[in-house]
Amino acid sequence: DIVMTQTPLSLSVTPGQPASISCKSSQSLLHSDGRTYLYWYLQKPGQSPQLLIHEVSNRFSGVPDRFSGSGSGTDFTLKISRVEAEDVGVYYCMQSIQLPHSFGQGTKLEIK
Amino acid sequence: QVQLVESGGGLVKPGGSLRLSCAASGFTFSDFYMTWIRQAPGKGLEWVSYISSSGSTIYYADSVKGRFTISRDSAKNSLYLQMNSLRAEDTAVYYCTILFYWGQGTLVTVSS
Repeated sequence: DIVMTQTPLSLSVTPGQPASISCKSSQSLLHSDGRTYLYWYLQKPGQSPQLLIHEVSNRFSGVPDRFSGSGSGTDFTLKISRVEAEDVGVYYCMQSIQLPHSFGQGTKLEIK
Repeated sequence: QVQLVESGGGLVKPGGSLRLSCAASGFTFSDFYMTWIRQAPGKGLEWVSYISSSGSTIYYADSVKGRFTISRDSAKNSLYLQMNSLRAEDTAVYYCTILFYWGQGTLVTVSS
C-alpha cells in the first residue's frame, strides 16, 4: 500500500502571508499513462472535503488562483500565496494511482 | 450540478448491520467509479471501498474486508454500502465520492 506523509501537521499563518504544505508518497504516483494521480482537498470546519487541486497542479473549478500545486514522482507541495480567513481547515493530499487509495494525515491551517 | 446524497446512517449496536445509500445526480453515473470514504470523530480521512464504473471491479480496505459489501445500481443512479458485523471502530461519517465531488456524509454510530 502507498503511504502518504504530510508536513507540517499544523500551520498558523497571518492573513496575507504565504503557506506551504508538503506531501510525500512512498511510491511514485506517475502512471504509465503519463498522468500523476495526486489530489489536494480542503475540509473546512463542519463540511465535507472539497477538491482544490487534481493531478498535482490543476486547480478545480472555482478554486482561487492563490492555491497552486507542484511536484512530481513522490514529492508534492500545495502553496497558498496569500492566506485568507476562509482558508482555515484541514488540508489532505490523496493518491489514486493504486488501490487502496490513501490520504495524508492532514494539515490543520489556522489563522493567527 | 453534481449531487451526491448519502443516507442510511444511524445508531446501531455492535454486531449489527446498516445499509448506506448514495443517490447521485448531475453526471453520467455509469461513467464513473465510486468510492466510500469515512472519517471517525476528530480523525482523518480513511478510504473504505471502491467499485468500478461497470461494477466488475471491487476493492475493500483490510479493516472492512469480509464485513462490508459495496454495490451500485445504474438504473437508480445509486451506490450502496452494506455493513455487517459492525464494531465500535466503524463509528464515523461515511462519504460517497467520485473524487472530484463528495456528498455531505452520513453518520454511523456503533454503540451499545
